[in-house]
Amino acid sequence: AQTVTQSQPEMSVQEAETVTLSCTYDTSESDYYLFWYKQPPSRQMILVIRQEAYKQQNATENRFSVNFQKAAKSFSLKISDSQLGDAAMYFCAFSVYGQNFVFGPGTRLSVLP
Amino acid sequence: KAGVTQTPRYLIKTRGQQVTLSCSPISGHRSVSWYQQTPGQGLQFLFEYFSETQRNKGNFPGRFSGRQFSNSRSEMNVSTLELGDSALYLCASVPGTTAPNEQFFGPGTRLTVL
Repeated sequence: AQTVTQSQPEMSVQEAETVTLSCTYDTSESDYYLFWYKQPPSRQMILVIRQEAYKQQNATENRFSVNFQKAAKSFSLKISDSQLGDAAMYFCAFSVYGQNFVFGPGTRLSVLP
Repeated sequence: KAGVTQTPRYLIKTRGQQVTLSCSPISGHRSVSWYQQTPGQGLQFLFEYFSETQRNKGNFPGRFSGRQFSNSRSEMNVSTLELGDSALYLCASVPGTTAPNEQFFGPGTRLTVL
């Protein structure tokens, strides 16, 4: 069974600074997908970034980037130039063939002005 | 395209009652998944429906059931409600192909059991 672990229940960052959220996972699959979702206080979960395991290049979406280490089964999210609107719960998720999504427990990120 | 919609947004029930929650996926999406979110347990997978068939099921008691209609709309039913069923219930849809599709989430239904 796949598992996703987020070892940081809470994190904080100063506005305009950079923060990295950690995620590790466990799977015997070789082809899969990883995602970071954001859930702001309004509760609508939205996709931040995704990574396909067969791609070695790390995904980037504007201020958000990942450090994907397949051998180590690590998938961290880096947020650069943090903004107040980045404050939210962040969930790391894993999926095989668009099914069987497994979510981590989440990291609550606070952005300090 | 309209996003995933869930109704109702808020619900208050008493122990022993039953409740039905509804989810309308994004047009064209064939897969619908349901999650229970609580502060202590995080996001727990309930079940997934694809083309009116339950494709995957989480580890929840039989009081939790669901179904999907031919238009991909899905309903989730909880019978004999318990206090511990108080949670945010999230619905998510996926197009249903084998592409790396992410899940698109609805705003959730906040269920409070008194």
